[in-house]
Amino acid sequence: EIVMTQSPATLSVSPGERATLSCRASQSIATNVAWYQQRPGQAPRLLIYGASATGSNRATGVPARFSFSGSGTEFTLTISSLQSEDFAVYYCQHYYNFPPWTFGQGTKVEF
Amino acid sequence: EVQLMESGGGLVQPGESLRLSCAASGFAFSSYAMTWVRQAPGKGLEWVSGISDSGGSTYYADSVKGRFTVSRDNSKNTLYLQMNSLRAEDTAVYYCAKDSGKIALREVFDFWGQGALVTVS
Repeated sequence: EIVMTQSPATLSVSPGERATLSCRASQSIATNVAWYQQRPGQAPRLLIYGASATGSNRATGVPARFSFSGSGTEFTLTISSLQSEDFAVYYCQHYYNFPPWTFGQGTKVEF
Repeated sequence: EVQLMESGGGLVQPGESLRLSCAASGFAFSSYAMTWVRQAPGKGLEWVSGISDSGGSTYYADSVKGRFTVSRDNSKNTLYLQMNSLRAEDTAVYYCAKDSGKIALREVFDFWGQGALVTVS
């Protein structure tokens, strides 16, 4: 089973600031990582996945301030300028090869 | 608009069974794999099970293998999760999610339902 480890557990930032969230895989998984956002009381929402040299794939309606980089075992989700609606918990998840598909424990972005 | 609506959650005793349903609309249900993900109270996300578009391939987390069964009825645009021999540690909100592809392998979960709470106590 591939273990996904996120850091930090909590990230305190102010609106307009840049937020950098990290995710590490226990083995190389190419770029087969997805990021999900979960606002309080809501279901998770796909944000972005599959970082590559030509860029990553943002889900429908996800603003360009969300970007994703990394490959192998180290991955980063960057929110360039935090908006009020971005305060949420973010999960990374691998989809490399075969299940089980595992999630990181989450990073809470708070004000 | 893609919509996924879970139902069938509730309070059961340990050892009992429950069947969750997920009614899908707004997309060609029979052309996509589907997934169940759960979230224990105050905890993170745990993948539970996946099923291919035809239902011919199914996958399970070790924690539920042999107790849970995923199935689908493409004529009714509905996904199911039959949960037997329930344990206290199965208490969670269960989300159904649409896969981005057909085969339930190497795909992301691009739309999610609002979840159904299952409490085993």
